[in-house]
Amino acid sequence: QVQLVESGGGVVQPGKSLRLSCAASGFTFSRYGMQWVRQAPGKGLEWVAVIWSDGSNKHYADSVKGRFTISRDNSNNTMYMEMNSLTADDTAVYYCARGLSTGYSDNWFGAYWGQGTLVTVSS
Amino acid sequence: QSALTQPPSASGSPGQSVTISCTGTSSDVGGYTYVSWYQQHPGKAPKLLIYEVAARPSGVPDRFSGSKSGNTASLTVSGLQADDEADYYCSSYAGSDVVVFGGGTKLTVL
Repeated sequence: QVQLVESGGGVVQPGKSLRLSCAASGFTFSRYGMQWVRQAPGKGLEWVAVIWSDGSNKHYADSVKGRFTISRDNSNNTMYMEMNSLTADDTAVYYCARGLSTGYSDNWFGAYWGQGTLVTVSS
Repeated sequence: QSALTQPPSASGSPGQSVTISCTGTSSDVGGYTYVSWYQQHPGKAPKLLIYEVAARPSGVPDRFSGSKSGNTASLTVSGLQADDEADYYCSSYAGSDVVVFGGGTKLTVL
């Protein structure tokens, strides 16, 4: 079955960097677009970024553009999010998600989600 | 990339129906058929209920239905059950390959 497992979260100081990973299994990872979505404590969901199945296209929310970089390694079935210049506003649970199928429209919703990894930006 | 507007709260008694609205603009909800709805219980990951305005993934009961009129999408939960008490979020494609979420609605089953 589809499984997504995020890792790499933790406590980091403002201005520092962190890299999150999303390990995928149970499906042909290289055929699916993938997304990151985050949720600040007690707040709503916020879309962060998407990457096409072959990594050729990447798009970001304005709130992270220029600071976060999404990438993937299809040979290792893993997606990444490199986060730089972190601020307190980036404190959140970060989820990776995948659509239902491999179509274009499946890049815009999450049918399968990981359990999330918590990033806390604090001095 | 402005958030979609949802009512902060909604409520209904068991067996009743409740509708949650999600208002955007012609640049997101009104301009595309890529509206989705999610249910989230405390401490859990979101669960997809509806995609592409009105489609239900396998395993989601038909008590959950979606629709759209102009710039407003709606989720209707029929035959309310205690386990339906959760937070509900809408999302929409917003052009330029980005997605926007609503602020969420806390549904209380009275």
